[in-house]
Amino acid sequence: DAGVTQTPRHEVAEKGQTIILKCEPVSGHNDLFWYRQTKIQGLELLSYFRSKSLMEDGGAFKDRFKAEMLNSSFSTLKIQPTEPKDSAVYLCASRLGVNQDTQYFGPGTRLLVL
Amino acid sequence: GQQVQQSPSSLVLQEGENAELQCNFSSTATQLQWFYQSPGGSLVSLLSNPSGTKHTGRLTSTTVTKERRSSLHISSSQTTDSGTYLCVHTGANTGKLTFGHGTILRVHP
Repeated sequence: DAGVTQTPRHEVAEKGQTIILKCEPVSGHNDLFWYRQTKIQGLELLSYFRSKSLMEDGGAFKDRFKAEMLNSSFSTLKIQPTEPKDSAVYLCASRLGVNQDTQYFGPGTRLLVL
Repeated sequence: GQQVQQSPSSLVLQEGENAELQCNFSSTATQLQWFYQSPGGSLVSLLSNPSGTKHTGRLTSTTVTKERRSSLHISSSQTTDSGTYLCVHTGANTGKLTFGHGTILRVHP
């Protein structure tokens, strides 16, 4: 079975650009999460979907970050416009749907904004 | 909001020594997971243990639900165990994941 896949693995953007990160959850999983990971802040939740419905939008990240789940097997995270402080690793995770389930993480997208 | 505290923040061992990592959380967990992340690598689930004791290989996790704490014991550490160990709490009502800041483990040969 394929795990969580994320593309691209690396992205370099200039300040002000729009970038779109992609995630495919484990087949059959109903919950999908987007996280940002930095050394200073650790892991921060950006968005949480259950059965394609947005359950949590990460509060502070509403402004320039928008996650969408177009269908049960594909999600995007758009950052518009990018800023240098957005440089981080963006992780996507999925789980079957019951809160007790294990979460599975993708390899992440390493974003550098110049 | 929910808090997950991990200790120690970092740990240095000689190969062969045992490690004990702690995780304390502020509200009831429906799931408690330990993840491993190698330097620059992705997150790998080690153990899912909302209560009781679980073993896998050289790893043992003990979660005491009523006391809102969990531990991860690594026996006979190896240099390849070096990395960051994260405790992840799933809220009982919300399903939301909260991550600890991790314990950075370095095992020297």
